[in-house]
Amino acid sequence: NAGVTQTPKFRVLKTGQSMTLLCAQDMNHEYMYWYRQDPGMGLRLIHYSVGEGTTAKGEVPDGYNVSRLKKQNFLLGLESAAPSQTSVYFCASSYRPGQNTGELFFGEGSRLTVL
Amino acid sequence: EDQVTQSPEALRLQEGESSSLNCSYTVSGLRGLFWYRQDPGKGPEFLFTLYSAGEEKEKERLKATLTKKESFLHITAPKPEDSATYLCAVQPQYNFNKFYFGSGTKLNVKP
Repeated sequence: NAGVTQTPKFRVLKTGQSMTLLCAQDMNHEYMYWYRQDPGMGLRLIHYSVGEGTTAKGEVPDGYNVSRLKKQNFLLGLESAAPSQTSVYFCASSYRPGQNTGELFFGEGSRLTVL
Repeated sequence: EDQVTQSPEALRLQEGESSSLNCSYTVSGLRGLFWYRQDPGKGPEFLFTLYSAGEEKEKERLKATLTKKESFLHITAPKPEDSATYLCAVQPQYNFNKFYFGSGTKLNVKP
């Protein structure tokens, strides 16, 4: 059982380039999230989705776009990368609130460096 | 403003030396408080969920407790394999989709 899989695991971009991070989950979860993790700041929510075809903004959405065309996939796009977007990005998924213990299931992360 | 603060930032223990990690929070109605473990280069891994003041959960050498303003993660007789960063997160009642994370406590257990 793979759980939550993120690709790529590492990427280096130049300022202004674009890229897409892919997240796939095989647990049939309704909810999916994208977080970024920076030293000393904790995980911050970028965007999330409560079901196929839906997306919503989190705490730090600027400079990012997302799409959830299929229930199992959640894509995070950077249209024009900036050095401030250098970070480790984590995808997570969960059951609907009230189901199970409510925890998030995380992928292993995607480390992005913008030069 | 909803906020989660963890202390200490880093903790070094000798094997067998028990201690506690603190997570203090301010949130407009708490639905749940979560503890995660994160190993270097990995994603956070779920440990516990606590829902109400007075609740306690245990797993091996770890015990989590919850009050109205803070949670503690007690580590009894830790082993080197307990070395990791421990993250705390709160889920507010007004928005089940949002989890506010602390910046974590990095625990190092020396043999």
